[in-house]
Amino acid sequence: AQSVAQPEDQVNVAEGNPLTVKCTYSVSGNPYLFWYVQYPNRGLQFLLKYITGDNLVKGSYGFEAEFNKSQTSFHLKKPSALVSDSALYFCAVRDEAIISSGSARQLTFGSGTQLTVLP
Amino acid sequence: EPEVTQTPSHQVTQMGQEVILRCVPISNHLYFYWYRQILGQKVEFLVSFYNNEISEKSEIFDDQFSVERPDGSNFTLKIRSTKLEDSAMYFCASSPTGVTPKAFFGQGTRLTVV
Repeated sequence: AQSVAQPEDQVNVAEGNPLTVKCTYSVSGNPYLFWYVQYPNRGLQFLLKYITGDNLVKGSYGFEAEFNKSQTSFHLKKPSALVSDSALYFCAVRDEAIISSGSARQLTFGSGTQLTVLP
Repeated sequence: EPEVTQTPSHQVTQMGQEVILRCVPISNHLYFYWYRQILGQKVEFLVSFYNNEISEKSEIFDDQFSVERPDGSNFTLKIRSTKLEDSAMYFCASSPTGVTPKAFFGQGTRLTVV
């Protein structure tokens, strides 16, 4: 089974400071990892994904995430936070072992982390 | 960038009534999904659909739910007899193939059952 944990319900940072939103995962095969952002009354917007290759993945709006296989983590980071980054962030995983069977498998989402960037 | 569109944005219905939530996936995508998010909770998978049939469903997707692709563009989720606990945001998503990991999500339909 695949699962995702986001240990922090809420993260507060000051504008201009670096931010980190944590995510750990559990899969039986190799993971496909994603970050999505949800603004109030909006759908889920794709930020970035890790499939294979470089452990540091760069995505939209200056966000990046680092895949760490030994720690089974995929933390979202940004060097300098903006007030407009305030939103709900979801980490998600798909298990590559399941995907390779050809099944249209679902994403499993974490519980979400509310990021608030303070001016 | 192409978008997944969902209608309506907000639906209010009485308990026991049937509702149909509509989605227009991205035109060249082959795999379609419904997820839901109860207020304050995580996003949960409901069902995936490929080649005009359900390819996977979660335990949430019981007999009161059904999905259909009635024509070449729409993908619908029907809830036959709504319950209060069906109140949630329902997201449609599509992806080009089942093994392409990027799913594109719609803006969601907020369903309120009263």
